[in-house]
Parts: sequence; structure tokens; C-alpha cells
Amino acid sequence: QSALTQPASLSGSLGQWITISCTGTSSDIGSYKYVSWYQQDPGKVPKLMIYEVSNRPSGVSNRFSGSKSGNTASLTISGLQAEDEAHYYCSSFAGRSWVFGGGTKLTVL
Amino acid sequence: QVQLMQSGSELKKPGASVRVSCKASGYTITNHGLNWVRQAPGQGLEWMGWIDTNSGNPDYAPGFTGRFVFSLDTSVSTAYLQISSLKAEDTAVYYCAATVTTDWGFDYWGQGTLVTVSS
Repeated sequence: QSALTQPASLSGSLGQWITISCTGTSSDIGSYKYVSWYQQDPGKVPKLMIYEVSNRPSGVSNRFSGSKSGNTASLTISGLQAEDEAHYYCSSFAGRSWVFGGGTKLTVL
Repeated sequence: QVQLMQSGSELKKPGASVRVSCKASGYTITNHGLNWVRQAPGQGLEWMGWIDTNSGNPDYAPGFTGRFVFSLDTSVSTAYLQISSLKAEDTAVYYCAATVTTDWGFDYWGQGTLVTVSS
């Protein structure tokens, strides 16, 4: 199972919005509504930000939203804040397994 | 509250074995599957597989068959990851993760266990 494709890095300015893409195949993102997004600060544990494409767990800011079209999922962060600077990983169910993206380093300028 | 508590860091020589534990509290471990995720230094997350905590049946991702074994002791609400014939490339942080309040997202993670393989 190949990893999902994410941009290695992105940057955005404080207060702006940014979208992180995650491209898979018809065997994973294209077939299931089970896409998740995780935020990971350096040396910390990953934190679930979005599950089932667009659902936010309790406590996650509504500045984070998710969507999917075809084989590509997206995470949008609006009103960028300094605390959003982190690595972001997408993940998709792929039948009997899960697959992660390579991760995107988000820098807030 | 739900917690996954992992065992501490390990330093092992090549060829040795290691066992990482993941103790669940705040919920019934048999009600939710337990996944294992690897993160090599400076690298991304990699799903290793999961164990069905109700049946005890493990399922391994490609690349994690043979030397990797998932097991479970429900009497102490603890899952285990054993890695045998350790190699330098096994050096990584190993996380256990569960879907407890969500069915399709890993909402609870252990704190991670660093396994270092070095001679």
C-alpha cells in the first residue's frame, strides 16, 4: 500500500487560510469516507483533527475543516494562528488497512 | 478518562528482541481495536497493523510481517508489540492508538515508546 501524497511543506500568513491536499487512489480515498487528519508538534503525540472526511472531534477548533473529491482529500485551516504551525498527516482507510500521507510541514509566517 | 500508557524507552543491540506494552484505562479494551504506528526519526507516520481486541486476532500491514507480533492480555487491559531480530532501521518511536469515541479515526494515542537499535 503506497503512502498518500501530500506537499512536503506549505506556508501561510497569520490570519489567512490555507489548504493541504492529500492525494490517494481509488483503493483508498476514492473508495471510502474514512479520511482522517492529524496534527503533530515536534516531539509530541499526533492529535486527531478531522475524521470521516469532515468531522471534528470535540475540542478541535472550527477553523479546521475537511473535504474530499474523488481521490483527493483536503484540510483547510482558516484564520491561521501561530499555534497551527506543525506537521499535518492525512490518513485513509484502504479496505483492510490504513495508509498515511508523508506529512506536510506548515509554517505560519 | 481514556488513557493509553506505554512502556519506557529501550536501547537494544542488533539481533535482540524488544517488547513494548500499551496499557488501556478509562474504557474496556475489548470494545475497541488497538493499532500500532511507527515513526522513524524525522520521518512520517506508518501504520503497522492492528489487533482485534475482542478476538485477539492481529492483522499486519505489508512490511510488518514475520518479525513483528501483536498480542494482548485482557486481564490487565494491555496490548503488546514484540519485535525480534532487531535491525538499526527499526529505530523509531512506536505508538499505540485506538478509535474510542470515533469509529474511523485514531482519537487516543499512547505517549510513544522510543526503541533505539545500536551496537
